[in-house]
Amino acid sequence: DAGVTQSPTHLIKTRGQQVTLRCSPKSGHDTVSWYQQALGQGPQFIFQYYEEEERQRGNFPDRFSGHQFPNYSSELNVNALLLGDSALYLCASSLRLGADTQYFGPGTRLTVL
Amino acid sequence: GQNIDQPTEMTATEGAIVQINCTYQTSGFNGLFWYQQHAGEAPTFLSYNVLDGLEEKGRFSSFLSRSKGYSYLLLKELQMKDSASYLCAVRDQNSGYALNFGKGTSLLVTP
Repeated sequence: DAGVTQSPTHLIKTRGQQVTLRCSPKSGHDTVSWYQQALGQGPQFIFQYYEEEERQRGNFPDRFSGHQFPNYSSELNVNALLLGDSALYLCASSLRLGADTQYFGPGTRLTVL
Repeated sequence: GQNIDQPTEMTATEGAIVQINCTYQTSGFNGLFWYQQHAGEAPTFLSYNVLDGLEEKGRFSSFLSRSKGYSYLLLKELQMKDSASYLCAVRDQNSGYALNFGKGTSLLVTP
């Protein structure tokens, strides 16, 4: 049973560029959340998708957008990259909206130069 | 909003017991979670508390007191592989299902 998978593993971009990160949820899960984790910090909630709609959003600017596909996989897009966007981006899936446990993927390490 | 506080670093000896505390402030508490995160890896779920009391899972136990806004994670019979960051996260009914994480406690287990 595959867990949460994310791609790519690492990514290097320059300021002003755009990036797309991808996530496939754990088998049977239909809800995907995205988190940003800066070095030495806890993960910060970006947004959550369920039934292909953004259901909840954290305190992130509109440069951060997402999408969920019919197969429940999800994308995180970040436009106009800033140096401060350098972080580990984690995807978490859960069995349903409001499920108690979120399972995290290995993350994508984004470096903005 | 929520304030979640936990110690930045702790050190303990192999075979010993360590307690990692977490305090929080929230207006609509709806669950507290503990995750373990090894360096460069994804957080892995350890425990979930929504009612007061102690939840035990093998070597790991988690305690919650909602009236005090307090939780702890207890690790027994420490092993070297327990060296990791331990993240306390709170879910607030006013924030839906998002998890609000503390900064994590980096635990170092020494021989």
